[in-house]
Parts: sequence; structure tokens; C-alpha cells
Amino acid sequence: AQSVTQLGSHVSVSEGALVLLRCNYSSSVPPYLFWYVQYPNQGLQLLLKYTSAATLVKGINGFEAEFKKSETSFHLTKPSAHMSDAAEYFCAVSDTPGNTGKLIFGQGTTLQVKP
Amino acid sequence: DTGVSQDPRHKITKRGQNVTFRCDPISEHNRLYWYRQTLGQGPEFLTYFQNEAQLEKSRLLSDRFSAERPKGSFSTLEIQRTEQGDSAMYLCASSHSSAERMGLFFGSGTQLSVL
Repeated sequence: AQSVTQLGSHVSVSEGALVLLRCNYSSSVPPYLFWYVQYPNQGLQLLLKYTSAATLVKGINGFEAEFKKSETSFHLTKPSAHMSDAAEYFCAVSDTPGNTGKLIFGQGTTLQVKP
Repeated sequence: DTGVSQDPRHKITKRGQNVTFRCDPISEHNRLYWYRQTLGQGPEFLTYFQNEAQLEKSRLLSDRFSAERPKGSFSTLEIQRTEQGDSAMYLCASSHSSAERMGLFFGSGTQLSVL
């Protein structure tokens, strides 16, 4: 069965520093991978997705992620953190080609950005 | 396109009462999903519809839970005889089956508190 592990439930960076949020997955078939962001008291917003095209995926707000099959990883990065990036981030996997809306989410990583 | 809307945003109820939540998806989306998110966890898949047909239900969805999408538009999620363990954020999401690689569009959720 597929699963997602997000390493580090809390990550703290200074404004302007590199953001790195880690995600590892397990899947029996080539997966579709997603990163979502959740601000307090709001739903989830899609940041970016990997669906078997380019392994380096660019998303909104300057975020990007690289799919590494050999490492079963899909880490999220941003070169320079902004205060507005403080939120909860979720990595998710779907390995059901006919239903990519059925997602398995990781437990989330809270990103804190210090001034 | 007003996005996915959920009503109510918050619901407080006493143990044993029945509650019903409503979700209005993006109008052209034929798939509708329900997820549940407890504090400090990622969302968990509950069920999904394609048009008016409920195609899959998670084992998390006990007999006290029922979901409908009678005309293939809005959906309702009812919980009968609520328990304290039902306290969670209930998220609705929608997509179109032909464009699901684009990711799900989530509503802001209904926060349920069972006292």
C-alpha cells in the first residue's frame, strides 16, 4: 500500500533562508505526487504536482520539488523564505491512475519563518 | 467560478446528536471528495462521487456516516449519533475526471466539535 512520510513535523527558518521540506513515499506503481499548503482555518491549496513528466516541478509562490525515483523522494524547496510562507505543508501521493483525487497525505510539516 | 464552498464553517454539537454538512463543488466538476482531518494530521480520504454515483467509501466511514450527491451537484455528509471521536475538520474537494492530474480543489472545511 502506498504511504507518505514527511520528515520533521516542524521546520523553522529565517526570512530569506532556504526552505527544505522533506517527503518520502512508497508506492507499488509510478505515483502522482502533490504538495499542498494549508493556512490557518482554511482548506488546502495546491502548490505543485508531479504526474510523470519533468522530474523538476515548479509551482506557485516560488516553490519547486524534484522527483527522485531512486530515493523515493519528493522534497519541496524554496530559495528564499518569506514571512507569508508560514503555514502547514502536506505531501500527498496517488497511485490510482483512474482516480488521482484519492490521495494519501503525510502528517504535515509546519513551517515557521522568523524575521 | 466561486470555488468549493462548505457550510457551515463551524458546528458544535452534543454527543448523540445528528449533524449534516453541505458542500458545493466548482460547477463544472463531476467528481466530489470528502476528507477528514484531525488535529496535527493530514487529511484522510472518506468517500468520493462521480456525478451522483458514490464510487468508493473508506473503511473509516462507519455506518453512522452517510453521504449523498443526489443530482450530481452539491453533496451532503451526515453523521448520526455523533461521538467525541468524530470531532475533526471535514474537507470537501472537487475535480473533473478529465483533468484530475491538475489536482483537487478544496473548500475551507467544516470544523466539527462534539461535546
